[in-house]
Amino acid sequence: QVQLVESGGGVVQPGRSLRLSCAASGFTFSSYAMHWVRQAPGKGLEWVALISYDGSNKYYADSVKGRFTISRDNSKNTLYLQMNSLRLEDTAVYYCARDLPYSNRPYYMDVWGKGTTVSVSS
Amino acid sequence: EIVLTQSPGTLSLSPGERATLSCRASQSVSSSYLAWYQQKPGQAPRLLIYGASSRATGIPDRFSGSEFGTDFTLTISRLEPEDFAVYYCQQYGISPLTFGGGTKVEIK
Repeated sequence: QVQLVESGGGVVQPGRSLRLSCAASGFTFSSYAMHWVRQAPGKGLEWVALISYDGSNKYYADSVKGRFTISRDNSKNTLYLQMNSLRLEDTAVYYCARDLPYSNRPYYMDVWGKGTTVSVSS
Repeated sequence: EIVLTQSPGTLSLSPGERATLSCRASQSVSSSYLAWYQQKPGQAPRLLIYGASSRATGIPDRFSGSEFGTDFTLTISRLEPEDFAVYYCQQYGISPLTFGGGTKVEIK
C-alpha cells in the first residue's frame, strides 16, 4: 500500500543541523511532487517546503528559507530535508506528504507519513 | 500571503448532529484551490476535500465542501463518533501554502 515513513528526528541544540528522510513505497515516487509540513506542540499545521517530481522546482516557507533545503533521490524513493541553523521555534513534528503527479507547483497533500519529532533545545 | 481564519475555534455537538465549519480567506483563492483535512490526536492529517468541494478517495458522502466568494464551508451532515477531531483548511492558490488555525469538533 502507499506509505511514507519519516526518520531522522531527534534532540538538537540551537544552531546545529539535522537531516530528515522520508522513505516512500507503494507508488511511483518519481512521478509525484513532495512536501514537508510541520506541527509545533499543541499548534496547527505549517507548510515548510515542496519539491517538484523531478527536483527542478523548490518552494519554501519564509520561516525556513535560507536555512532548510528540500531534496530527493528518485533512485532511492527518498525525500530529504536538510535543516541548518536550527532555532527553538523549529521544534515540531515534521511530516512528509505527497502532492499531485507531475506538478511543478504546490497543490494539496493526499498521503501523509506519521511524522518524526524534532526538538531544538539547549 | 493568504491568511485563512477558521471559526469557531471549538464546536461542541452530539453524534447525529450537523456540523458546519467555516474558513474565511483574506483574499480571493484562485480556481477554488482550497482543501480540508481531518486530524485526530496523535495521528497525521487526512485529506477530506480538495478543489473546495471534491471529496478525496474513500471519504464518506456525509462530508461536503462549498464556497461563496472568500468564504469556504465544510459540512458534516450527521456526525459519527469517529468524526470528532480537528479540521484544517488549506489554500493552494498562491505560494506560500497556508493553513487555517483549525476547528476542534468535540463531543457535547
